[in-house]
Amino acid sequence: NAGVTQTPKFRILKIGQSMTLQCTQDMNHNYMYWYRQDPGMGLKLIYYSVGAGITDKGEVPNGYNVSRSTTEDFPLRLELAAPSQTSVYFCASIGTGVNEQYFGPGTRLTVT
Amino acid sequence: AQSVAQPEDQVNVAEGNPLTVKCTYSVSGNPYLFWYVQYPNRGLQFLLKYITGDNLVKGSYGFEAEFNKSQTSFHLKKPSALVSDSALYFCAVYFYGGSQGNLIFGKGTKLSVKP
Repeated sequence: NAGVTQTPKFRILKIGQSMTLQCTQDMNHNYMYWYRQDPGMGLKLIYYSVGAGITDKGEVPNGYNVSRSTTEDFPLRLELAAPSQTSVYFCASIGTGVNEQYFGPGTRLTVT
Repeated sequence: AQSVAQPEDQVNVAEGNPLTVKCTYSVSGNPYLFWYVQYPNRGLQFLLKYITGDNLVKGSYGFEAEFNKSQTSFHLKKPSALVSDSALYFCAVYFYGGSQGNLIFGKGTKLSVKP
């Protein structure tokens, strides 16, 4: 299994541009998550999904959108990029129950 | 509210010495606790978890953690630190909110092991 994969690894955006961060997992996990990691702040949950067609907001959803059309894919959309969205973004997935999350390698996004 | 705290931003240890990275939690109901490690420019990797049972949990790379219910703590330990253990460590608590469980992460503790 490839686990959780994310693309791109790095991206620089100008203010107001939009982009989609891709996340794919091949473990047939139902639950998928998007986090952002800011220095000294730990991880903050942006959105999560409990299965195809079902998404819900996390702690910091403003400025982002998600969709879950398949079990494997959970893209994160930034519509109007702002400098405050400069961060490292991690996608994660989990099977069922109280199990560990599997994390992707992250996408480092800079908005200037 | 559910929360997890890592009171130390950084822990410095000499190689070969024991290490402890502290974590305290606040959660209603039974706590489900996790430790993750993050190496530079990498995603988080699972180290160990406490769900129920023995208070001393053993995990990957020789790490272990002790669950202490009375002190609401879940400190990460290793008897003999290696330089390669230098990384960012995150404690997390799992809780059910609505119909879904989620992890809440501490802000992380940077472990630096010097030769």
